[in-house]
Amino acid sequence: GDSVTQMEGPVTLSEEAFLTINCTYTATGYPSLFWYVQYPGEGLQLLLKATKADDKGSNKGFEATYRKETTSFHLEKGSVQVSDSAVYFCALWNTGNQFYFGTGTSLTVIP
Amino acid sequence: EAGVVQSPRYKIIEKKQPVAFWCNPISGHNTLYWYLQNLGQGPELLIRYENEEAVDDSQLPKDRFSAERLKGVDSTLKIQPAELGDSAVYLCASSLEGGLRTDTQYFGPGTRLTVL
Repeated sequence: GDSVTQMEGPVTLSEEAFLTINCTYTATGYPSLFWYVQYPGEGLQLLLKATKADDKGSNKGFEATYRKETTSFHLEKGSVQVSDSAVYFCALWNTGNQFYFGTGTSLTVIP
Repeated sequence: EAGVVQSPRYKIIEKKQPVAFWCNPISGHNTLYWYLQNLGQGPELLIRYENEEAVDDSQLPKDRFSAERLKGVDSTLKIQPAELGDSAVYLCASSLEGGLRTDTQYFGPGTRLTVL
């Protein structure tokens, strides 16, 4: 069945460091891909999405490109801030309105 | 625009007791989802509604869990009786019209349930 695999955490970075969180997926057909962020004590918030191959989603300095050839949707940010500390979830939507989430990657950014 | 509202935010109960969670989706959103999120895991779908109709409840443990969405707006998720393993965060989400690849789910803050 469909699934999402994202890199294990936790990840700890210094402020202004480059961030990559890997996400790969298994799916039939042509899924849509998402990154959600969960700040402490809050619900999940959509960070960015891409609905077809080669689309690039971007928001708040974060980017991810839908790579069908490598079945990946890696999250990147050039310069992280302390306020980016959160848990990041990669997710997949497929026909039949099935949503699959990864296990989450915890990011801590230290000043 | 108001987001998805859930209550209570926290609930502590003894095992074998009943518990209910309430969700008010974003106005105009036809699709409503209930998810279970265990510590260190991603959300897992329990049930999905399209208006009043439960269109996917295949992952809902029907022996103890029930849900309803009267009038296609608010929804209630109930557990009776609760077990220790039910301790988790219960998330509600809504979307304008599920089934579209461009649709986006908006999540509430969740209810953290602790069963003692």
